[in-house]
Amino acid sequence: GENVEQHPSTLSVQEGDSAVIKCTYSDSASNYFPWYKQELGKRPQLIIDIRSNVGEKKDQRIAVTLNKTAKHFSLHITETQPEDSAVYFCAASGGYSSASKIIFGSGTRLSIRP
Amino acid sequence: GAVVSQHPSWVICKSGTSVKIECRSLDFQATTMFWYRQFPKQSLMLMATSNEGSKATYEQGVEKDKFLINHASLTLSTLTVTSAHPEDSSFYICSASDVEVGRIRRDTQYFGPGTRLTVL
Repeated sequence: GENVEQHPSTLSVQEGDSAVIKCTYSDSASNYFPWYKQELGKRPQLIIDIRSNVGEKKDQRIAVTLNKTAKHFSLHITETQPEDSAVYFCAASGGYSSASKIIFGSGTRLSIRP
Repeated sequence: GAVVSQHPSWVICKSGTSVKIECRSLDFQATTMFWYRQFPKQSLMLMATSNEGSKATYEQGVEKDKFLINHASLTLSTLTVTSAHPEDSSFYICSASDVEVGRIRRDTQYFGPGTRLTVL
């Protein structure tokens, strides 16, 4: 089955700087890679996703890159703000079906220093 | 966007009792629902995949006789934790997906708000 590894487990950056979180996946059939932001006690919120036919996607301050060959994908947050502090999870899903299960990475606790 | 609700939002029960958690898709039909468990400071671990009208598929290591899943309609799935023990205390989150094209994306999962279970 799919295995998703995520690094780092914790990340502290100065407000205004960029933050990068990296993930790898094991199943080459995976073709959907969502990123979630979770605040304490809340549900995960989808912040951006990328499919295997695209190498990069950007939405305002957030961007995601995908390297299918290396089975790596990364989340980039620029101009970080205090409200970006949360736990971020990468995930991977395989197969062409909305019933595909999503496997989560271990999470990155991002702290933004004022 | 698509909305998924869960009930109750939190529950405290005594050891040995059973607890039922409901997951509902409010504005779309969910052919598939997923149940996750999240321990403090850990990731979401998939417990089972629930398909409407058929038996749930459990992940390795999840006891199907302890965590009963029923997906009786296209908008409702339930998870029953039977004979709960303190080690079952966790945050249980469901998600739902749909095959409908258009507004609801095929492979996006929509998460419920979670249920915090505390077993005394």
